[in-house]
Amino acid sequence: KQEVTQIPAALSVPEGENLVLNCSFTDSAIYNLQWFRQDPGKGLTSLLLIQSSQREQTSGRLNASLDKSSGRSTLYIAASQPGDSATYLCAVVSDYKLSFGAGTTVTVRA
Amino acid sequence: NAGVTQTPKFRVLKTGQSMTLLCAQDMNHEYMYWYRQDPGMGLRLIHYSVGEGTTAKGEVPDGYNVSRLKKQNFLLGLESAAPSQTSVYFCASQRGNEQFFGPGTRLTVL
Repeated sequence: KQEVTQIPAALSVPEGENLVLNCSFTDSAIYNLQWFRQDPGKGLTSLLLIQSSQREQTSGRLNASLDKSSGRSTLYIAASQPGDSATYLCAVVSDYKLSFGAGTTVTVRA
Repeated sequence: NAGVTQTPKFRVLKTGQSMTLLCAQDMNHEYMYWYRQDPGMGLRLIHYSVGEGTTAKGEVPDGYNVSRLKKQNFLLGLESAAPSQTSVYFCASQRGNEQFFGPGTRLTVL
């Protein structure tokens, strides 16, 4: 059974600092990995999707890397802003099903 | 294009009552999913469907039933609600290996 872990569970940084969020998974036989953002009381918004054959994916200030062999992904958010405050979830796809981590709750202080 | 919609947004039930949550998508996706999200935990898969007329059990199916009579709709039923089913329920549909989520239904069982 795929287990997905996100460390740390919570993170607080001053505005402008770069954010590094970690995700690890136990079974490297994945189709892809997806990073989501969730605002309080809201649904999930997809940020980045990394196919299993890719090493990284970028969108604006966001960059996600994937190392299947070690079972790790890292989400980098450059020059953080208060609007980046949210919970970030990673999920791995195996057999058309997603397995989620518990998320990292980020607070960016102005 | 409304994407994935969920009805209702909020509901309070008494123990033993029944209810049905409706998920609808207008993107012609074959795959649809029901998840629950509890505090401090990632999303857990309840049931899923790979096409009209088909359903399958996920990680935590007990106490729930589902139906997919039409491609665009995926219904989640609670026959006899229990306090342990207090949660936020998310529906998703899938294109390729990317999932798109609804805004969620917050259910409280007293």
